[in-house]
Amino acid sequence: DTEVTQTPKHLVMGMTNKKSLKCEQHMGHRAMYWYKQKAKKPPELMFVYSYEKLSINESVPSRFSPECPNSSLLNLHLHALQPEDSALYLCASSQDPGISYGYTFGSGTRLTIV
Amino acid sequence: QKEVEQNSGPLSVPEGAIASLNCTYSDRGSQSFFWYRQYSGKSPELIMFIYSNGDKEDGRFTAQLNKASQYVSLLIRDSQPSDSATYLCALGVAGNNRKLIWGLGTSLAVNP
Repeated sequence: DTEVTQTPKHLVMGMTNKKSLKCEQHMGHRAMYWYKQKAKKPPELMFVYSYEKLSINESVPSRFSPECPNSSLLNLHLHALQPEDSALYLCASSQDPGISYGYTFGSGTRLTIV
Repeated sequence: QKEVEQNSGPLSVPEGAIASLNCTYSDRGSQSFFWYRQYSGKSPELIMFIYSNGDKEDGRFTAQLNKASQYVSLLIRDSQPSDSATYLCALGVAGNNRKLIWGLGTSLAVNP
């Protein structure tokens, strides 16, 4: 299995809703990432988990809350988002240590805040 | 000064030609270099990585790295319309082996 699976593929939510994005990989990768990507921009790093511990938080607003229940799963909990948070949210994983062979990205969740 | 610079394009080449995509960087400590392809509305896909000076070939793709001149390039031989996409250059950050620094990407259009 060489895939990173993200669900849902599309999500529309109101500013008062609570929702979660899910990511799963079975490649034995021990580093997992959340990225945000706006149109015509490169991916923007949000969080990095290494061996199930949060190792990087790129000063992301608290309305985004990551969780890594085990080495294969990564969640991103969303609450009270703003319209400017509408974007493609990408999960990625890599072998650890580091990124020697690059990331494998999931197909992403297209999030729209209304 | 931007850390990773790419020509935004669009770069337009005829089918069958060689497409040449370039990326320059400022951090001399960068150790690892990656090329990702991203189709519109899709997620990035890793197509090449390179660590050492020189060329690295994989099928129709060749990555070239010159650390002295601080550039990395991607050549696509026999370009196909299916190669039309945005190509993102990314660098491994010196001293932080889990973070990539991304260029803004070059849009490539291969015309039949």
